[in-house]
Amino acid sequence: NAGVTQTPKFQVLKTGQSMTLQCAQDMNHNSMYWYRQDPGMGLRLIYYSASEGTTDKGEVPNGYNVSRLNKREFSLRLESAAPSQTSVYFCASRVDRGGEKLFFGSGTQLSVL
Amino acid sequence: GESVGLHLPTLSVQEGDNSIINCAYSNSASDYFIWYKQESGKGPQFIIDIRSNMDKRQGQRVTVLLNKTVKHLSLQIAATQPGDSAVYFCAENAIPGSARQLTFGSGTQLTVLP
Repeated sequence: NAGVTQTPKFQVLKTGQSMTLQCAQDMNHNSMYWYRQDPGMGLRLIYYSASEGTTDKGEVPNGYNVSRLNKREFSLRLESAAPSQTSVYFCASRVDRGGEKLFFGSGTQLSVL
Repeated sequence: GESVGLHLPTLSVQEGDNSIINCAYSNSASDYFIWYKQESGKGPQFIIDIRSNMDKRQGQRVTVLLNKTVKHLSLQIAATQPGDSAVYFCAENAIPGSARQLTFGSGTQLTVLP
């Protein structure tokens, strides 16, 4: 059981380049999330998807777009990368009953030069 | 807005001792709290959670204590092992059923000394 799988694990971009971070979960969860983690700060929500076909902004959505491709996959796109988007990105999915527990992927380390 | 904070950013304990990691929260409406462990280069891993109608919950070698009077949450790890070395995050949720409202603390780095 793979849980939440993210690709790539590492990426270096130049300012202005675009890229898509991929995420897939095999737990049949309805809700999926994208977070960023910066040094000395807690996880901050970028976007989330409560169900297939819906997406909503989180705390820090500027500069990002998302696509809920199907129930399993939720991608995060940077259209024009900026140095301020250098961070570690985590995808997560949620148990739909029994609480707010999130299951996280292993993360993508992104550097924008 | 309200946010979760931690008393200490780092904690070092001897192997075999008990560890206590503290967390303060300021949102009195929060009704759900959760602890995550994050090892270097990995994603956060669920440890234990607790609802506001409980004061204590135990897992395997871990106990979470909730003091709503002083808005304080703690994670106790019994017989700390080298594999427990990691960053520990607490998070609170002020809106039941909505993971969107989880607010994460910045974390405490636990180091287990041989």
